Amino acid sequence: QQQVKQSPQSLIVQKGGIPIINCAYENTAFDYFPWYQQFPGKGPALLIAIRPDVSEKKEGRFTISFNKSAKQFSLHIMDSQPGDSATYFCAASIGRNFGNEKLTFGTGTRLTIIP
Amino acid sequence: SQTIHQWPATLVQPVGSPLSLECTVEGTSNPNLYWYRQAAGRGLQLLFYSVGIGQISSEVPQNLSASRPQDRQFILSSKKLLLSDSGFYLCAWSRRGVGYGYTFGSGTRLTVV
Repeated sequence: QQQVKQSPQSLIVQKGGIPIINCAYENTAFDYFPWYQQFPGKGPALLIAIRPDVSEKKEGRFTISFNKSAKQFSLHIMDSQPGDSATYFCAASIGRNFGNEKLTFGTGTRLTIIP
Repeated sequence: SQTIHQWPATLVQPVGSPLSLECTVEGTSNPNLYWYRQAAGRGLQLLFYSVGIGQISSEVPQNLSASRPQDRQFILSSKKLLLSDSGFYLCAWSRRGVGYGYTFGSGTRLTVV
């Protein structure tokens, strides 16, 4: 019930295309859904996050779509650039749960944007 | 502002040698602290997390241990390294009682030879 399933494992998209990465969860108590971006040799960095009271959130070229009834959320990257090539992790947690604030991560998607 | 420091950045150690990786957080108090391991091309595996000094929860039985001697210091150790301990080790912190806003350190690349 604590798992977050992420797909695809890898993705190759041409520059300007819109890569979409999907995640699904089981635990209905989750109320915070972040996405992390990791470049090789670096720690993951928070990219964008959403709470289940909204269905979509945009920050620049990055958009999270959230479907509470389906327990799914996805990351869309508009006008993708070669610099977006990285590994992306979705995650989920219970936002305020003293003593159990662990993030549950998906398995990651290696995204490659080709020129 | 809060910052997280992790060192060393790279480490090559022989099998059977001890290990000590250190992580410190600045600019906050009472943080939750986490150690993750990432095998090459793989996901993030939570190894240990701590909600306070001396309070360590282990997620995966293994050859490693963690300690939190001070509020903002988290140490990952091993008495005898195995080849399988090779990987990318990441420290992270979050605010107590809040399950969002994880911030990761820059990581330590450990190669056991």
